[in-house]
Order: sequence, then structure tokens, then C-alpha cells
Amino acid sequence: GQQVMQIPQYQHVQEGEDFTTYCNSSTTLSNIQWYKQRPGGHPVFLIQLVKSGEVKKQKRLTFQFGEAKKNSSLHITATQTTDVGTYFCAGAQAGNNRKLIWGLGTSLAVNP
Amino acid sequence: DAGVIQSPRHEVTEMGQEVTLRCKPISGHDYLFWYRQTMMRGLELLIYFNNNVPIDDSGMPEDRFSAKMPNASFSTLKIQPSEPRDSAVYFCATEEAVLYGYTFGSGTRLTVV
Repeated sequence: GQQVMQIPQYQHVQEGEDFTTYCNSSTTLSNIQWYKQRPGGHPVFLIQLVKSGEVKKQKRLTFQFGEAKKNSSLHITATQTTDVGTYFCAGAQAGNNRKLIWGLGTSLAVNP
Repeated sequence: DAGVIQSPRHEVTEMGQEVTLRCKPISGHDYLFWYRQTMMRGLELLIYFNNNVPIDDSGMPEDRFSAKMPNASFSTLKIQPSEPRDSAVYFCATEEAVLYGYTFGSGTRLTVV
């Protein structure tokens, strides 16, 4: 079945360093969403990408959707301790954009 | 808006007992999803509803699991009988008709001993 692979599984950075997580799908996606989950919390929606090659920015976060709509990335510039958490990508299947396929997430730890 | 409200926040029960998890969605959100989260398997979609009608329950692990949405304001996920392998965090999430992303509830942490 359709799978979404996310790498790396864990990342430790020093505060101020950059961070990137990558998401790859085995099939073409109709859209991809990104969520952040703080330890002990629930996933919180960050953004949705729909168009091939789309790039969106939210302050220090940059999201990209690949040209083939099979991969995506999230880049954080100059990490802060408030960025700690697990970042999930979730891809929507073509023809059923309500049923998301989730990556296992990248857990980010930031050392002050 | 108070967001998606789940109860209870924590549930500890003995194997074989019935467990009922509850969710109150955001008013006006037409889609409701039940997810299970574990370290090993991540977030798994169990079932989702559109306008109170179950659309896809292919993720429900087995007949011990059932879900209902009797009206637009309430949904339940029931496990009967519960087993230790059902221990997980169960999330309810809702979405408007337009694709704005899910809003998750705070989850129910279920422990079956």
C-alpha cells in the first residue's frame, strides 16, 4: 500500500543551527500537510501544500513540495528551544484527499 | 471555540473490560476522524465520518472496535473487550469541508492492564 517515509527519525541540534526533515511518498500525492506535536501534546496543523513545486514560508519555517508531488521538506532556520517536538508529514491520496497517510515523524531536540 | 474536546484524558482499565472514548467536535466541522498513536506504528487512522456518516472504517483493527456518531456534536469509540495491545493514545480530529487541516483533540491515553 501507499507509504510515506520520513527522515531522519531523530535530530539533535544546538540552538541556532538549522534543521531539515524530509518526507517521501511511494506514490503521487494530491497534497501534503505538516504537523507539529510537542511532547505529551497533540498534533497541531502547520501548513498544507497542494501545487507541484510549491514553497511556503512561516517565519523561520520553509516548506517545499516536490515537482513530482512525491516528496516534501520542512526546513527550520536558526532553531530555538521552542521548536522542540516531533514534526509529521501527512500525504493525501489522489482521489481521496480526506484519508491522510502519515510519516512516523522526526523528533527534534534543541540544546540551549 | 473550545476546540475538539475528548474525554477522558486518561483511562486505565483491566483486560476484558469495555472502554468508551468520547469526542465533541468543533461546530461546523463536517469531518471527524479517530486515530490511534503508538511509538511503534505512529498515527493510524481507525475510522472517519462525514456529516455523521461513517465513510471509511478499514483501519478499525477488529470487531472489538466500534465507533458511532449519533449527531454532529458527539462521537464515541468503543473497545469491547479491551486487551493490553490496545494501550495507546487515541485522538479525535475534525476538519471543515474545505481542506484547512485537522484540528486534534488532546487525546485519551488508554492503558489496559
